[in-house]
Parts: sequence; structure tokens; C-alpha cells
Amino acid sequence: NAGVTQTPKFQVLKTGQSMTLQCAQDMNHEYMSWYRQDPGMGLRLIHYSVGAGITDQGEVPNGYNVSRSTTEDFPLRLLSAAPSQTSVYFCASSGSPRVPQHFGDGTRLSIL
Amino acid sequence: SQQGEEDPQALSIQEGENATMNCSYKTSINNLQWYRQNSGRGLVHLILIRSNEREKHSGRLRVTLDTSKKSSSLLITASRAADTASYFCATDRDSGGGADGLTFGKGTHLIIQP
Repeated sequence: NAGVTQTPKFQVLKTGQSMTLQCAQDMNHEYMSWYRQDPGMGLRLIHYSVGAGITDQGEVPNGYNVSRSTTEDFPLRLLSAAPSQTSVYFCASSGSPRVPQHFGDGTRLSIL
Repeated sequence: SQQGEEDPQALSIQEGENATMNCSYKTSINNLQWYRQNSGRGLVHLILIRSNEREKHSGRLRVTLDTSKKSSSLLITASRAADTASYFCATDRDSGGGADGLTFGKGTHLIIQP
């Protein structure tokens, strides 16, 4: 089983550029979420989705958009990249928000 | 805001010794989870303890939960070099059925010396 797959693994952007981080899961999970991990900060929730067509904001949503057109995919869009968005981004999925989450291996994003 | 806070931030022990990490949190919870993160990888779920449980075991892992003190501990017995990783506690806020995900602490970085 592939589990949760994130692409790309690494990306360097210039300030003001936009891009989409991809996340796909093959476990038929309804719940998916995006976190960012910064040194000394742990993981912080950006956006989450409880099913296709339903998304909501987490703790740090500003500068990011999400959509959920299928159960399998949950892309994260950076609208206009800023240096403060330099981070490692993790996607996770599970059957519900309160059960153990399955994480991808992350996308390491640098904004110059 | 950070819900869980792990202590210590870093821990270095000899192989074969026991490692204990602590987690404190601020608000009521439904359950508390512990995750491991190896360098450059995603988080892997280790164990979940519900708010009405006090202790749980899984192999060499022992987790305790004290809801009156809003704290949890993770004990790894007979440590191995492969246990070297960062360990995070995560709580789901008891938000009346809300689905807003987990809140993670900052983690304990564990180093097992051979």
C-alpha cells in the first residue's frame, strides 16, 4: 500500500510565485489535513477536510487554499509565496479526526 | 496555539536504558496520542490513550495519562539505536464534536548512544 503520497518532496520558489502541493491517499479515508512543521514549533494545522467537497480552516490558514474534489486527493495551494512560508509541509489522512493519523513523508519548501 | 508541551526537549541515553518523555496539555481532551518522527520522514503513530484510561502498553512502550494534572508520559524500555527519533504528543481538543484535527507539542528529540 502506498498510504499517503506527497509530491514534490522538495521545492524552491521565489517570493510571489504560486504552487500546489499534492497529497493523495489510497486508504479511502474521509478525513485529510495539512500541517506545517517549523523548527521549535511542532506541527500546526493549516486546513482540513472531513470529506469530498468539505474543507475548513485550521490554526494557520492565511496564505493557503485547499479544495477536495475527490476522496483521494487534497491539494494545498500557496497563492503568493512568502519567505515566512518556508517550512516542511505534511499531509495526513484517517477515518476520522480523532483516530491515529497516517502521514506522508512531507514536502520541504523554501521561499527565497 | 500549542496544546501539548513535551519535556525534555532533548534526551540522550545509552542503549539498553529506559527513556521517559513527558507531555503537558491545557484543555480537556478526548484522547492523547504519541507519534514518532525519524529524521526526514513523516510522523508514525505509536499509541493512543483515551481520556478515561490511565495506562496503556504496546510492546516496549508504556503510556500513562493523568487528566487531573493534564499530563502524559511515554516510557520506552530497553532502548535501541533504532529508537533515535523525535517523539510528539498530540491531543484532540474536546470541542463538542468539532473536527478540527490534532494539536501537537514541540517534541522530544531522543538520541540512543550505542
